[in-house]
Amino acid sequence: EVQLVESGGGLVQPGGSLRLSCAASGYTFNTYGMSWVRQAPGKGLEWVSAISDSGDGTAYAESVKGRFTISRDKSKNTLYLQMNSLRAEDSAVYYCARGSAPHFPNYFDYWGQGALVTVSS
Amino acid sequence: EIVLTQSPGTLSLSPGERATLSCRASQSVTSSYLAWYQQKPGQAPRLLIHGASSRATGIPDRFSGSGSGTDFTLTISRLEPEDFAVYYCQQYGSSPRTFGQGTKVEIK
Repeated sequence: EVQLVESGGGLVQPGGSLRLSCAASGYTFNTYGMSWVRQAPGKGLEWVSAISDSGDGTAYAESVKGRFTISRDKSKNTLYLQMNSLRAEDSAVYYCARGSAPHFPNYFDYWGQGALVTVSS
Repeated sequence: EIVLTQSPGTLSLSPGERATLSCRASQSVTSSYLAWYQQKPGQAPRLLIHGASSRATGIPDRFSGSGSGTDFTLTISRLEPEDFAVYYCQQYGSSPRTFGQGTKVEIK
């Protein structure tokens, strides 16, 4: 059974940093691309970032480019999102999602339960 | 960036009725790379349809997707109580991947 479990969310001040993790199990981690998708309270879904199966290809939404970094560690079957220079508008539930293929284009066939990030002073 | 516009915003229907949800793209979606997701309160989204019309594993056949180019439709043939939720379309053929704003299907 495919499982994705996010951790690392919490309350952070504007300008601060946070690193989210997503532990994957139930499949061969390094054969699928991965993404982060966020959802602000009461709002819709917004794709944030993606990484290819090998990690050598990454992509970012314009809203986070230069502030967020996606990475993956195949030895730990874990996906990461390093978030720097956080703003109030980054407050959201962050989901990790498995891509249906090793790299773009792919849809999201499995999702984690989400990690809440709140940016506030 | 491809903008996806979903309509209606809210659909009020009774169990057993047919639901028709629309997703219109601002430009043609490459190779019908269009997916539909269902989200219930407090839960993660769940994949329903990919490639505009292919049902994901385990999805009941009352869910069907159609369309191409810029106009796509999700149809639920007969609403079951567990189908009342928010539905999102997403295009994954162009970067950035984008989602529609969602259609809420509520009990009338």
